[in-house]
Amino acid sequence: DAGVIQSPRHEVTEMGQEVTLRCKPISGHDYLFWYRQTMMRGLELLIYFNNNVPIDDSGMPEDRFSAKMPNASFSTLKIQPSEPRDSAVYFCASKSDPGLAGGSNTGELFFGEGSRLTVL
Amino acid sequence: GDSVTQMEGPVTLSEEAFLTINCTYTATGYPSLFWYVQYPGEGLQLLLKATKADDKGSNKGFEATYRKETTSFHLEKGSVQVSDSAVYFCALSDPQTGANSKLTFGKGITLSVRP
Repeated sequence: DAGVIQSPRHEVTEMGQEVTLRCKPISGHDYLFWYRQTMMRGLELLIYFNNNVPIDDSGMPEDRFSAKMPNASFSTLKIQPSEPRDSAVYFCASKSDPGLAGGSNTGELFFGEGSRLTVL
Repeated sequence: GDSVTQMEGPVTLSEEAFLTINCTYTATGYPSLFWYVQYPGEGLQLLLKATKADDKGSNKGFEATYRKETTSFHLEKGSVQVSDSAVYFCALSDPQTGANSKLTFGKGITLSVRP
């Protein structure tokens, strides 16, 4: 498997523009997570899905942020309108249910390489 | 709520030095504990884990022991290499709170190893 795939790897945009980040989780994984990483606040969980359904979006900073998972192999994180304080690295991660697939499943969280967003 | 506290960084060591990175946690139930590592320009990847008290996780020369009595999961390595330079995150998942699916991360600590 190619792992969790994120795009774009780098995005530079101007304040007020719409930004869409994309994620393809590992095939067969039931959970998908969106994290944001900044120097000031470290790694923050924004939202996570189980079987394409949003379970906890309490980390989404405000209404400018939205996330969707239309099917098991694709998710988007959208920021509209973007602001300079949204500049960060956004990570997508996926995992399978540790209760499934027998004792060999550790429930490990697999991360993508991240999307570095710069809002000018 | 659940939380993870890591020692303040950054940490700079010479090659072959002994490494200890402290991690303590607060959890309602009996969590699983993890160390993740992030190399420059990459996402996080699992380094090691422990799922119950007194378990020792180990990988790539790193070790950490789940200490329930001190609520700690300190990371150690006997002899660090330049290639160990990275950011290290301690994390937990807590089935008692119904949050078994998600991880709570510490702030991370940057390790730099000089030749």
